[in-house]
Amino acid sequence: AQKVTQAQTEISVVEKEDVTLDCVYETRDTTYYLFWYKQPPSGELVFLIRRNSFDEQNEISGRYSWNFQKSTSSFNFTITASQVVDSAVYFCALSEVYNQGGKLIFGQGTELSVKP
Amino acid sequence: DSGVTQTPKHLITATGQRVTLRCSPRSGDLSVYWYQQSLDQGLQFLIQYYNGEERAKGNILERFSAQQFPDLHSELNLSSLELGDSALYFCASSVAPGLADYEQYFGPGTRLTVT
Repeated sequence: AQKVTQAQTEISVVEKEDVTLDCVYETRDTTYYLFWYKQPPSGELVFLIRRNSFDEQNEISGRYSWNFQKSTSSFNFTITASQVVDSAVYFCALSEVYNQGGKLIFGQGTELSVKP
Repeated sequence: DSGVTQTPKHLITATGQRVTLRCSPRSGDLSVYWYQQSLDQGLQFLIQYYNGEERAKGNILERFSAQQFPDLHSELNLSSLELGDSALYFCASSVAPGLADYEQYFGPGTRLTVT
């Protein structure tokens, strides 16, 4: 069965600290996609990244970086030099290629609070 | 701004009532997805349409139904509402015909409160 686990419910850091959000997934498919979304206090869901299961290269986008390790079924997200504007709930999601429709299976989310 | 629009933004109604939530996908997107976000269940997939046809179904109650119209906008109908239906309902769209290798762009959501 497909499942996404974000074990950290809440994380609180002080501005400029680095923070890593963990994501562990379960799937029986060999081809799948992993996503991260950000939900700021305003409530909308903002797409951050999509990674397919064949691409294990780490990705960096500004202060954001993602570490995908198939061996541990993890897709962790690191924010370097965090800022107050990073405060939000972050969701990791899984989609399997061969499931019908490409639905997203979300983790429970990690609420990140960055204090000045 | 994702380009996906949802109306209304907020909806307050009483138990037993019926409501309709509306979604317009991004220009060019053929797939529409509906998700429900509640405190106890988290973010859950409800149903997906592609070019007017139902493509996939998730944990959608029988009291809920949806459709996608020829102009590609979609409506989610919730009937016989219960207190537990109070949630944030998101619509998302993607260009792909239901494949997983395209990101889904989410609308701002409709917050439904059932009293």
